[in-house]
Amino acid sequence: SAVISQKPSRDICQRGTSLTIQCQVDSQVTMMFWYRQQPGQSLTLIATANQGSEATYESGFVIDKFPISRPNLTFSTLTVSNMSPEDSSIYLCSVDGINEQFFGPGTRLTVL
Amino acid sequence: TQLLEQSPQFLSIQEGENLTVYCNSSSVFSSLQWYRQEPGEGPVLLVTVVTGGEVKKLKRLTFQFGDARKDSSLHITAAQPGDTGLYLCAGGSNYKLTFGKGTLLTVNP
Repeated sequence: SAVISQKPSRDICQRGTSLTIQCQVDSQVTMMFWYRQQPGQSLTLIATANQGSEATYESGFVIDKFPISRPNLTFSTLTVSNMSPEDSSIYLCSVDGINEQFFGPGTRLTVL
Repeated sequence: TQLLEQSPQFLSIQEGENLTVYCNSSSVFSSLQWYRQEPGEGPVLLVTVVTGGEVKKLKRLTFQFGDARKDSSLHITAAQPGDTGLYLCAGGSNYKLTFGKGTLLTVNP
């Protein structure tokens, strides 16, 4: 298993600003994933982040809006840029195990 | 695009009752995972099934993977208030997971 922490746990931001979310894992992992969970909804994959390469984004998500860094095998960041109220969600990072993923506790973002 | 249809979306039952949650897709997945999520936390894996027709039991929870690896069910026997939470099925293909919309279960004492 893997233990994952995220910072911040929650934030309230003004529209037009940007927020960077950090994800730290207690072991080295190849793949890290970023998901969005809108209120009352399920998880939608934003992108897959591999160390040493550009993140791979899913349909509907672009790098300009959600830039991702993966500087090493235990850490990643997701930035939500030029935020609007529609970006209010829980953002979760996860890492790949064998036939499972381990999730962080999430970052609850509210955009006013 | 692979989609997972999960039903019911909401379920409110009394303690001691049994329930079944369904997860269906038109696509074949290499694995099917069930997660439970509590408020303020990330999803936690309950079980992974990989073989068509596979049945796994975890105390009062029984998980089944369809023969064609397109559908799955979660059955809870004698539900308890501690079972309350959001239950999510997720289909695995390559390294990605596709999540169903979830079933929000409330077990009333």
